[in-house]
Amino acid sequence: RKEVEQDPGPFNVPEGATVAFNCTYSNSASQSFFWYRQDCRKEPKLLMSVYSSGNEDGRFTAQLNRASQYISLLIRDSKLSDSATYLCVVNLALNYGGSQGNLIFGKGTKLSVKP
Amino acid sequence: GAGVSQTPSNKVTEKGKYVELRCDPISGHTALYWYRQSLGQGPEFLIYFQGTGAADDSGLPNDRFFAVRPEGSVSTLKIQRTERGDSAVYLCASSLKGADEAFFGQGTRLTVV
Repeated sequence: RKEVEQDPGPFNVPEGATVAFNCTYSNSASQSFFWYRQDCRKEPKLLMSVYSSGNEDGRFTAQLNRASQYISLLIRDSKLSDSATYLCVVNLALNYGGSQGNLIFGKGTKLSVKP
Repeated sequence: GAGVSQTPSNKVTEKGKYVELRCDPISGHTALYWYRQSLGQGPEFLIYFQGTGAADDSGLPNDRFFAVRPEGSVSTLKIQRTERGDSAVYLCASSLKGADEAFFGQGTRLTVV
């Protein structure tokens, strides 16, 4: 089983649509979770961290379900500028501690928002 | 302030040659990560440094790949006897400490011909 798995995509949606991305992770001791955004031929950039209580930033809402080892990202009222690849990122807890470790990326889900 | 800097931005090398890719992280960041990304794929983990030591090098594909961070700042990824399959964008990222927000450089696009 891969450490971080995401919806394969691509997602092609009209402007104004609501779209949801899902991600599952295999390391139950992981402590840090993120969504990154990557534009074509650019480096990944942090979109938002994901907290246990869930968090919202404008049109973006992230949820974490530790029991199911599942993370989601919801984008409301999609804009053309939201077109990008969305990467789910989880820290891989090391054996001697769960709070520090490398960051493992999913393969990403491509979103294309059309007029 | 300055972000993560990677040099060179592009590197074309012949099969069998040795290459070094450099990463200059954000000042004060103790954690440094190297990833490799092929077209249409997510970043593939290679190695993670905490300070000067490699905390996890399990992502290095084979012994042709090696990375150092001798003073806990700049890191160099070294690839010996390059193969065409090594062609990819090599991304470096740093974070203040492990497992928090990582900031990426713009990457080095390596092409092995």
